[in-house]
Formats: sequence, C-alpha cells, structure tokens
Amino acid sequence: GDSVTQMEGPVTLSEEAFLTINCTYTATGYPSLFWYVQYPGEGLQLLLKATKADDKGSNKGFEATYRKETTSFHLEKGSVQVSDSAVYFCALGPNTGNQFYFGTGTSLTVIP
Amino acid sequence: KAGVTQTPRYLIKTRGQQVTLSCSPISGHRSVSWYQQTPGQGLQFLFEYFSETQRNKGNFPGRFSGRQFSNSRSEMNVSTLELGDSALYLCASKLAGQDTQYFGPGTRLTVL
Repeated sequence: GDSVTQMEGPVTLSEEAFLTINCTYTATGYPSLFWYVQYPGEGLQLLLKATKADDKGSNKGFEATYRKETTSFHLEKGSVQVSDSAVYFCALGPNTGNQFYFGTGTSLTVIP
Repeated sequence: KAGVTQTPRYLIKTRGQQVTLSCSPISGHRSVSWYQQTPGQGLQFLFEYFSETQRNKGNFPGRFSGRQFSNSRSEMNVSTLELGDSALYLCASKLAGQDTQYFGPGTRLTVL
C-alpha cells in the first residue's frame, strides 16, 4: 500500500547551515506530495506541495522536488534560521482512496 | 477566511470517562479528517467524514467514533478513556475534489 518514509531525527544545525530532510514514498499512482511544519504547541501548517513529477514546491526559502525516478521528495533550505526550529512532516496525498499518509516527523533545532 | 477551529484546546479526564471533541472546518470545506498524534506513534489517521458520511476509517478500536453535521462541523467521541488515549487530537479539512488538507491547532487530551 501507499506509505511515506521520512528521515529520523532529531536534527540539530547551526544558524545559516544547509538543511536536507529526506523523504521517500511508495504509491501506486501519482498523488500529490506535501511538507507540513508543526511549531511547538500548534497544529500542522502546510509548508509546500507538488502535484506531479518534476514539480518543485517552494515557500519561505524551503524547496522540495517531486522525483518520480527516485520516489523522493526531499526538503531543503539553503540557510536555516532559529525560527525554523519545528517538526517537519512529509505527506502523501489521496491516491486511489481519500486517505493521506504521513511520515513520522523530523524534529529540527537550529542553534544561534 | 477563518481557519480550522477546534474546541476545547485542552482537556483533562480520568480513566473510564468519555470525551467529545469538536472541529469546525474552513467555510466551504466538506471533508473533515481526524488524527491522533503521540510521541511514540506519530500521526495516526482516525477517520474522515464527507457530507455527514464516514468515508475512511483508521485502525482504532470502536471506543473512537465520530460524526459530521449538515454544516460540516464534526465531533469525535472517545468512550471509556484509557491512559494511552492521552494525545494531541488534530482535525483537518479540505475542499471536495482538492488534495490539500488544512489543520486546526489540536485538542490536547490528558487522561489521568
């Protein structure tokens, strides 16, 4: 069945470092892919999405490209800030059914 | 446009009690999904409602139930609470035919 595998955390980076959080998926079709972010004490916020192969989603300096050949959707940011400290979730959108599939989340801490 | 709202934000109950959580989706959104988030299990899908009908159900015991009203507001109920039910319960809504979910801030349930 459909599933998402996400890089285990926690990840700790210094401010202005480069960030990569790996995400791979298994799906029978071509569902949309998402990254959500959760700040402490809050719900999940949509960070970016991509709807088809080779699409690049981007928002707030974060980017992720829908790679069909490697079944991946890795999240990247060139220079992280302390305010980026949060938990990041990769998600697979509805495919043949109506269900979303989420990765286990990766906790990121950025230190000054 | 107002976002997804959940009430109450925090709840403390004791084992054996029951609890009802409420979710109001974004205006116009007829699909509402519920998730349980715990540190050990991550984000787990409970169920999804669309136009007052349950469309999908996750792998949770029958103690977990839900419903949706004609105005798309949804409630979930947990009966005979157990310590392991302590979690953040998240509600998400989306437009019919679209594939992006928008989350509420969650209800933090503590079972003592």
